[in-house]
Amino acid sequence: DAKTTQPNSMESNEEEPVHLPCNHSTISGTDYIHWYRQLPSQGPEYVIHGLTSNVNNRMASLAIAEDRKSSTLILHRATLRDAAVYYCILRIDTGGFKTIFGAGTRLFVKA
Amino acid sequence: DAGVIQSPRHEVTEMGQEVTLRCKPISGHDYLFWYRQTMMRGLELLIYFNNNVPIDDSGMPEDRFSAKMPNASFSTLKIQPSEPRDSAVYFCASSLDRGYTEAFFGQGTRLTVV
Repeated sequence: DAKTTQPNSMESNEEEPVHLPCNHSTISGTDYIHWYRQLPSQGPEYVIHGLTSNVNNRMASLAIAEDRKSSTLILHRATLRDAAVYYCILRIDTGGFKTIFGAGTRLFVKA
Repeated sequence: DAGVIQSPRHEVTEMGQEVTLRCKPISGHDYLFWYRQTMMRGLELLIYFNNNVPIDDSGMPEDRFSAKMPNASFSTLKIQPSEPRDSAVYFCASSLDRGYTEAFFGQGTRLTVV
């Protein structure tokens, strides 16, 4: 199964942009890159996904490297509510769309 | 839709007892996933179903664990007999049958086996 690698933790100041990196060097051509986040005592929630092109939505932006071996989740202005564990995962098309989570990055946001 | 619904939210049981966790996926979703989360091992995929059929149960830790999906609106994860090391938060998630669609998670069931 293709795996992802993320830093264990990152810290940001409130109102500043945050760039959360993810390496997925063994990604396959049909694998989608998804980002989820998990707030304390809650289940993971979807943030954004992409295949080859950069993507924007109301929550964040996703920048995907040209070779697709890495990606970066961008929170344009971090707030205290963004403090969470962020997971970069590959939605693997194995005939079953297996969805496997790695360890994630714990984001700390300072006021 | 009310989202993915799991019950109970909390379960405390004694070692050796049978435990059944329940999940109602979002209506119309083709896939249902069961995950287990612990501090040591993070989020582990236990099993997932497509159209009520188990596709991959390679994450199920041992024979004490079993999962069923008798119809499109209900799934159970059963542990028999339960052990203290099974203590964890168990999440159920559902999604449509596309690699680009998101998975929606329930609030989880916190299981404590004493």
